[in-house]
Amino acid sequence: EPEVTQTPSHQVTQMGQEVILRCVPISNHLYFYWYRQILGQKVEFLVSFYNNEISEKSEIFDDQFSVERPDGSNFTLKIRSTKLEDSAMYFCASLTGTGEEGYTFGSGTRLTVV
Amino acid sequence: DQQVKQNSPSLSVQEGRISILNCDYTNSMFDYFLWYKKYPAEGPTFLISISSIKDKNEDGRFTVFLNKSAKHLSLHIVPSQPGDSAVYFCAASDGSGGYQKVTFGTGTKLQVIP
Repeated sequence: EPEVTQTPSHQVTQMGQEVILRCVPISNHLYFYWYRQILGQKVEFLVSFYNNEISEKSEIFDDQFSVERPDGSNFTLKIRSTKLEDSAMYFCASLTGTGEEGYTFGSGTRLTVV
Repeated sequence: DQQVKQNSPSLSVQEGRISILNCDYTNSMFDYFLWYKKYPAEGPTFLISISSIKDKNEDGRFTVFLNKSAKHLSLHIVPSQPGDSAVYFCAASDGSGGYQKVTFGTGTKLQVIP
């Protein structure tokens, strides 16, 4: 069964450093998303991406965040200068967008900012 | 601002019995609802969805009921199996087809006791 792949599974970084979280969505999917879940809290929307541009973003997704689909297969989330409160599980998801369906999520990247 | 609420953080059910997970929402613009299941160290997995034009959708052991006037939905699992033990997230979208951003509830941890 096709799956969304995320790397790394765990990333530890120092506060102020840049991190790039990587995702390979399912190949025939058209819509791509990043969500995050801070420990003990709900899964929160960060950004959606369609047709090579951001279609919607949340207030969490400020200037420190960016997304890119550089080569038609990878979908990356960059945090320019990490803060302690960025520590969370980050989930990538994708969708065909052709019918009633739910996202296919990756297994997540646990980001720990120290 | 909790637009999607799951008021029961946990639920225990005997194997073979029915599990009923509840969800309430406040945003009347939501017109598409989904349930996801999440195991530890994995991303959420889509289970079942329902659009606002329906009041029931069934898929095998899983049935989702929607009561628009009460802004309430529920997921019924029958018969419950030990492998159903997971965290269940209710989610809602205000776009048809579910490709809009999705707002998640805080989750209900279901334990099915053998």
